[in-house]
Amino acid sequence: DTEVTQTPKHLVMGMTNKKSLKCEQHMGHRAMYWYKQKAKKPPELMFVYSYEKLSINESVPSRFSPECPNSSLLNLHLHALQPEDSALYLCASSQDIGLAGSYEQYFGPGTRLTVT
Amino acid sequence: AQSVAQPEDQVNVAEGNPLTVKCTYSVSGNPYLFWYVQYPNRGLQFLLKYITGDNLVKGSYGFEAEFNKSQTSFHLKKPSALVSDSALYFCAVRDYGGSQGNLIFGKGTKLSVKP
Repeated sequence: DTEVTQTPKHLVMGMTNKKSLKCEQHMGHRAMYWYKQKAKKPPELMFVYSYEKLSINESVPSRFSPECPNSSLLNLHLHALQPEDSALYLCASSQDIGLAGSYEQYFGPGTRLTVT
Repeated sequence: AQSVAQPEDQVNVAEGNPLTVKCTYSVSGNPYLFWYVQYPNRGLQFLLKYITGDNLVKGSYGFEAEFNKSQTSFHLKKPSALVSDSALYFCAVRDYGGSQGNLIFGKGTKLSVKP
């Protein structure tokens, strides 16, 4: 099974709302990622978790807060977002992130977020 | 710094004809190269990768890519295009810089296959 699932598929939220995006994988992968993707652009890395610890934070604003409750789950908590945060949010996982690793990433279908 | 270039914003091909989507890279060291495809309103799907070994890499859905070290290229190819191959294609290289484990993506190439 090479599936990464994400919920919800679509989310509309106001600038004062608090919401969460969820991601799950059951491939035994130890690295999980959050990406932001604008239309017709490549994905932009936001966060990387390795063995349930935050490994990389690409200078993402604090209104985005990641959480990795266990090795299969990854959440992205959203608060006080701006309209420019509207995008497709992709979750991905890979076997590992080791420097010598050559592991491909498996992506979920994404959550289409609209901030009003 | 590592980088990936996809020189074509769009490639148009007739169904049944061969297709090529171009990618060039710049890395310090041995490159780990990947191709992903994205269908509308979907996540990215892994197609193939080059790590080491044979320069011709075969992947999913009949796609293959040729690694050319002297030309620093990793072009994606398919002998006979299908209308269902129409999608956005991303080339990526592994980042050995500050964000270890990250992928550096090209800007993407939209492939349009007409019947």
